[in-house]
Amino acid sequence: SYELTQPPSVSVSPGQTASITCSGDAFPKQYGYWYQQKPGQAPVLVIYDDTERPSGIPERFSGSKSGTTVTLTISGVQAEDEADYYCQSGDNSDVDPVVFGGGTKLTVL
Amino acid sequence: EVQLVQSGPEVKKPGESLKISCKGSGYNFATHWIGWVRQTPGKGLEWMGVIYPEDSDTRYSPSFQGRVTISADTSTTTAYLQWSSLRASDTAMYFCARGFYNSRWNYYFDYWGQGTLVTLSS
Repeated sequence: SYELTQPPSVSVSPGQTASITCSGDAFPKQYGYWYQQKPGQAPVLVIYDDTERPSGIPERFSGSKSGTTVTLTISGVQAEDEADYYCQSGDNSDVDPVVFGGGTKLTVL
Repeated sequence: EVQLVQSGPEVKKPGESLKISCKGSGYNFATHWIGWVRQTPGKGLEWMGVIYPEDSDTRYSPSFQGRVTISADTSTTTAYLQWSSLRASDTAMYFCARGFYNSRWNYYFDYWGQGTLVTLSS
């Protein structure tokens, strides 16, 4: 089955820039999506179609793609950004139209 | 305002059946996909399946095909996830979410319910 690979954890100091990567063989063709999940809460969509930001999501959240890797970048990290972040996409064969990465715990030091 | 409100927590025994619900409001329920996602304690997200309420077109993840049934009722704007025989391994939080089918033949989810915790205990 298709897999997306994320680092288990990323740490950053307040005000710095955090980058979370997600690798998958289908990314040159498929879009990447990012969700933020805080403890005890439902996930929130923060990036869709690789680079687009839903209304209400702060401008410090941005997305990019290069080859088989999509990246979520949080500029000027704030304490409230501490959360788990999941990437999501799908494969090219229509067998797995929804696949989540394993998640990355962002710690704000 | 788009809202998805899920039914309350459940405690069941292995072998029992269960049906949990997800009521949508604030948008055209019939013409948007609804997906179900499982999250086991301390673990990540797993996609279970999606349904298009208007025609009940349903797709399941290979991992959950045959284990659960997804349905929807447009008259009550409610989607359902059901099991005929629960297993201990079904203990998890279950989320519903409004889905979009993108131009690359995949889905993503923009609004999520608050989650329903299902606990199996013998």
